[in-house]
Amino acid sequence: QKEVEQDPGPLSVPEGAIVSLNCTYSNSAFQYFMWYRQYSRKGPELLMYTYSSGNKEDGRFTAQVDKSSKYISLFIRDSQPSDSATYLCAMSANLGGGADGLTFGKGTHLIIQP
Amino acid sequence: ETGVTQSPTHLIKTRGQQVTLRCSSQSGHNTVSWYQQALGQGPQFIFQYYREEENGRGNFPPRFSGLQFPNYSSELNVNALELDDSALYLCASSSGTTSYNEQFFGPGTRLTVL
Repeated sequence: QKEVEQDPGPLSVPEGAIVSLNCTYSNSAFQYFMWYRQYSRKGPELLMYTYSSGNKEDGRFTAQVDKSSKYISLFIRDSQPSDSATYLCAMSANLGGGADGLTFGKGTHLIIQP
Repeated sequence: ETGVTQSPTHLIKTRGQQVTLRCSSQSGHNTVSWYQQALGQGPQFIFQYYREEENGRGNFPPRFSGLQFPNYSSELNVNALELDDSALYLCASSSGTTSYNEQFFGPGTRLTVL
């Protein structure tokens, strides 16, 4: 079982729809949770950052973390064609004594149809 | 744009050769991490450098090595290239080594091994 599971899609939705993207994980030591957006042939760009459980909202984006279920979500409201990209979830345990890096999911390819 | 630059953009090598990839960090950042992203996969952590020393390493063999210079630019070296080394190599700079220091990714170098 991979540490982080993410459905690769593609996920195709009409413009204006609410998009729900999800990841599950197995390592209970993960404390920091991130969502990155990656356009084709570009590096990942940080969208949302959450520490531990709870919700965080930034404009049209809402991130949710449920540590008890080991489940994180990203919601995109009023989706736009420019939101079409691959969305990567990433996590870190930050155990100290040296970096463990970020552990990424495979990414979900999202297509917003005009 | 994150201010992180990588060179070259693309590279083609043959099996058994050696390659050096370069990264210039965002101004003021003293930490750099390198990731390998195979096609259709999320990035995988290779290692992190802080103040010119390796500060953490993922599950990659010793033929993957790195350097960080006093101006915080860095190199990733891969010896004895294998076909499976074909991937997008990403560097990410940050202002510290902990998980709550946001990592800013460059556009990546696409390496093809024939």
